[in-house]
Amino acid sequence: DAGVTQSPTHLIKTRGQQVTLRCSPISGHKSVSWYQQVLGQGPQFIFQYYEKEERGRGNFPDRFSARQFPNYSSELNVNALLLGDSALYLCASSLAGQAPNTGELFFGEGSRLTVL
Amino acid sequence: RKEVEQDPGPFNVPEGATVAFNCTYSNSASQSFFWYRQDCRKEPKLLMSVYSSGNEDGRFTAQLNRASQYISLLIRDSKLSDSATYLCVVNRAGTASKLTFGTGTRLQVTL
Repeated sequence: DAGVTQSPTHLIKTRGQQVTLRCSPISGHKSVSWYQQVLGQGPQFIFQYYEKEERGRGNFPDRFSARQFPNYSSELNVNALLLGDSALYLCASSLAGQAPNTGELFFGEGSRLTVL
Repeated sequence: RKEVEQDPGPFNVPEGATVAFNCTYSNSASQSFFWYRQDCRKEPKLLMSVYSSGNEDGRFTAQLNRASQYISLLIRDSKLSDSATYLCVVNRAGTASKLTFGTGTRLQVTL
């Protein structure tokens, strides 16, 4: 069975550009979350979507946006890129809208974004 | 102050050693607690949940002290394959899938 898939795996952008990252959750999983992991830090929560609705938002500027499609795949968009946006962007899926008891989020391998 | 604090390490230990990692969290509303493992340049994966009563999975033992807001992970008989970064993770009630990660503690097991 396919796990969480993300694309692209690596990309390089320049300051001010826009980027779209894509994620396909595990089949049957309806919740998708996005995390940003800067080198040397733990992942930081950006968004969660469940059944195509935003269920949570982390402390990120409005330049960050996301959406979830009817097939539960998701896109993360970042506008007006800054050097500090360089990071590994992780998508995670879970079966239900909440995973508080098991804590089991299934992460994709991530999209590594470099902003020059 | 970070919501979840860990010693970043690295912890360099010989094969067969016992090593312990500690983590503190600042939000008393935290409800669920976990350890995730992240190999170099790979995605995080759930290692184990942490319960107040303590729990064990093979060579791994996790403990939670709610009064002190402290979480620990003990690895016995370390293997080379245990080399990774161990992330302490908490989840607050009503925050859906928002997990709060510590910075991680890097473990290097050597021959």
